[in-house]
Amino acid sequence: GIQVEQSPPDLILQEGANSTLRCNFSDSVNNLQWFHQNPWGQLINLFYIPSGTKQNGRLSATTVATERYSLLYISSSQTTDSGVYFCAVPNSSNQGGKLIFGQGTELSVKP
Amino acid sequence: GAGVSQSPSNKVTEKGKDVELRCDPISGHTALYWYRQSLGQGLEFLIYFQGNSAPDKSGLPSDRFSAERTGGSVSTLTIQRTQQEDSAVYLCASSLVGATEAFFGQGTRLTVV
Repeated sequence: GIQVEQSPPDLILQEGANSTLRCNFSDSVNNLQWFHQNPWGQLINLFYIPSGTKQNGRLSATTVATERYSLLYISSSQTTDSGVYFCAVPNSSNQGGKLIFGQGTELSVKP
Repeated sequence: GAGVSQSPSNKVTEKGKDVELRCDPISGHTALYWYRQSLGQGLEFLIYFQGNSAPDKSGLPSDRFSAERTGGSVSTLTIQRTQQEDSAVYLCASSLVGATEAFFGQGTRLTVV
């Protein structure tokens, strides 16, 4: 099955700093999602981004499907950005099937 | 409904008892997923439904685990004869069809004592 790797596993930032999180996947995919798991465990949808670039406020994401990676950019980080960031891709290039998650990047933003 | 709803939010059970966890997907979503997350770990896939059928149940860890979905909507995950290692947060997600954007519920935190 498809493998998903995220880096770095852990990241500590000072408030206001920028960061880039990476998600590599081992096979072609027709969609990719980024999630933020807040300290209460809730998984929040950030981006649904099969390819190209999307922006939402201080966050943006780019997926380069042909090179099998996606990047999540966080600018001017805030303490509320702390938590774990997951990327996920479908197990199959066809419609249907489970989502495969990376192991996550744990981000801690210090005031 | 507006979002994926799971119940109960928390469940404490004695070892050996059976538990049922419920998931109400977003209205109209045909695909439904169950995942498990142990403390400090990633998401472990359990089972995937498309409509009422489960084309992928490869993640169910033992025959003590089962799940069903009725009417293409509500799903129930049942764990029989619970063990301490079953303690985890059980997360449910739904999507319009398989492999499209998935949305998660808030999870059920199961503690087996």
